[in-house]
Amino acid sequence: QSALTQPASVSGSPGQSITISCTGTSSDVGGYNLVSWYQQHPGKAPKLIIYEVSQRPSGVSNRFSGSKSGNTASLTISGLQAEDEADYFCCSHAGSSTWIFGDGTNLTVL
Amino acid sequence: QRQLQESGPGLVKPSETLSLTCTVSGGPVNSTSHYWGWIRQPPGKGLEWIGDFYYRGSVFYNVFLRSRSTISVDTSKNQFSLKLTSVTAADTAVYYCASYHHDVSGFDSWGQGIRVTVSS
Repeated sequence: QSALTQPASVSGSPGQSITISCTGTSSDVGGYNLVSWYQQHPGKAPKLIIYEVSQRPSGVSNRFSGSKSGNTASLTISGLQAEDEADYFCCSHAGSSTWIFGDGTNLTVL
Repeated sequence: QRQLQESGPGLVKPSETLSLTCTVSGGPVNSTSHYWGWIRQPPGKGLEWIGDFYYRGSVFYNVFLRSRSTISVDTSKNQFSLKLTSVTAADTAVYYCASYHHDVSGFDSWGQGIRVTVSS
């Protein structure tokens, strides 16, 4: 059960949009609409920003959006802000009530 | 709003057992609406789900850690715990306890994390 595949790093300028991909298999990402995304600032605990592929928890900016196609889920951040600079992790249900995380993507706001 | 706080030793010797406790406030750990679990993050690496459970339900474990992991609950103290046996340096990580409501399939409450080093 390998980690979900994410790009190691992405970058963008303030105001731009970026997309982070998360690729799994038909046994995880492709098999369930149970993909979540987490934002983690250095030294802090992760924060849930997307669940069930595209749902935003209360209080999370609508600049964050999620989608899925086949075995790949995506997180899009629009109107990039300096505070968005962080690590982002995807997570998917992997059957039998288990979960698998991605390796993480470091976002740099230029 | 649920709040979680990890506690336990920050240093464990190789081959020994790592024991951590998560104290929950703002809601009962015996809620049947919530899942409670453990997630770890080795230094400079990604997150790894260890396992989770719901009260009076089953406990689910990462298949790679199942043989060494035990998650249990103490409702009298509103706590749940993780025991990981036969630890090695590869178990060095920040360990988080976390929870989610069954209507929100994502861990929406996290502890601050506790750094555990495995070293002699």
